[in-house]
Amino acid sequence: DVKVTQSSRYLVKRTGEKVFLECVQDMDHENMFWYRQDPGLGLRLIYFSYDVKMKEKGDIPEGYSVSREKKERFSLILESASTNQTSMYLCASSLSSGSSNEQFFGPGTRLTVL
Amino acid sequence: LAKTTQPISMDSYEGQEVNITCSHNNIATNDYITWYQQFPSQGPRFIIQGYKTKVTNEVASLFIPADRKSSTLSLPRVSLSDTAVYYCLVDNDYKLSFGAGTTVTVRA
Repeated sequence: DVKVTQSSRYLVKRTGEKVFLECVQDMDHENMFWYRQDPGLGLRLIYFSYDVKMKEKGDIPEGYSVSREKKERFSLILESASTNQTSMYLCASSLSSGSSNEQFFGPGTRLTVL
Repeated sequence: LAKTTQPISMDSYEGQEVNITCSHNNIATNDYITWYQQFPSQGPRFIIQGYKTKVTNEVASLFIPADRKSSTLSLPRVSLSDTAVYYCLVDNDYKLSFGAGTTVTVRA
């Protein structure tokens, strides 16, 4: 089974702190994604990566950056955390293109910014 | 612009069949239709995917009419454990767009 793990289930940070969220997948997937999920808004794509060192902006990239130095690891960085970044953050991975683009999700990190 | 429209919520009882219809009027020729399920405090999980007509697996069936402007996810004989949020997506590459989903509540 594909396994996507995230570094923390719960995280509490203060406004202005730099925050790192780590995601690791073990199935050699090409694509990795970061979403945030807020009540009533569903999942919104922040950034995605289709290869090592490659990244693309999603729908809401403002205030975030990402890093993908190794194929299995995709990091989300909040350079200066703000209270409106309090949310559930979900990482996912998928195989490259093809008719089946099933995404496999991690358990999520619930981030609270005080 | 949202790619899909689906009901916000649906209620059902154990043992009933639940049908969730999703509207996707602007579906492109290369788009596939995919459904995900999400339980509280978990990430979404792939349920089923189709392009046209009918697809069935051990969990659900997906019905797609010829014009492909809508699709219906059918969950047979639901149980309490099927209470979840269900997302309908249309896309043709690795970038998927999730809407707000349909919250299905199954009651005893």
